[in-house]
Amino acid sequence: DAKTTQPNSMESNEEEPVHLPCNHSTISGTDYIHWYRQLPSQGPEYVIHGLTSNVNNRMASLAIAEDRKSSTLILHRATLRDAAVYYCILRDFQGAQKLVFGQGTRLTINP
Amino acid sequence: DVKVTQSSRYLVKRTGEKVFLECVQDMDHENMFWYRQDPGLGLRLIYFSYDVKMKEKGDIPEGYSVSREKKERFSLILESASTNQTSMYLCASRGQGRYEQYFGPGTRLTVT
Repeated sequence: DAKTTQPNSMESNEEEPVHLPCNHSTISGTDYIHWYRQLPSQGPEYVIHGLTSNVNNRMASLAIAEDRKSSTLILHRATLRDAAVYYCILRDFQGAQKLVFGQGTRLTINP
Repeated sequence: DVKVTQSSRYLVKRTGEKVFLECVQDMDHENMFWYRQDPGLGLRLIYFSYDVKMKEKGDIPEGYSVSREKKERFSLILESASTNQTSMYLCASRGQGRYEQYFGPGTRLTVT
């Protein structure tokens, strides 16, 4: 599985945008970029995924670099409920079934 | 909304006991997964199933078995629990052709 690198922790303020970076320099052409988050004492929750183009959904936006070696998850207006560990994961849809979770970024939101 | 439920949030068992962890999903998903989550090790796949009565080993199947007799239910079995199986166990499901996995709330198992 291709490796991803994320900062261990980030901090932001409530109602401000948050940009969570992820580096994946060894990404292959068929790897999709997935983001999950895990709130305290809960199972992981799907956030968003993309292949090449930027993606938006009700939870977040995903900005993918043109060379696909990095991506950024954008929370447009953070709330206290967004405090969680955010995981950036690469998965070849044609390949293995599993998701490989790294250490993720622990996001703290200040009121 | 997809719902994945797990039979217990917290469980305490003794060494050598047989332990059953149950997972049920309500969205007719073909694929179901069992992971364990440990500090510093992330989530690791134990077993998955892509259809009723079908199963595949994940990365750490030793000491575990699974059962999928009905599409909505996927059970994880610890034949003889050991202290190194103390962990958070997470079940997930995914529809065929879909990208996202849906996780249950987890079962925190302590083996003493």
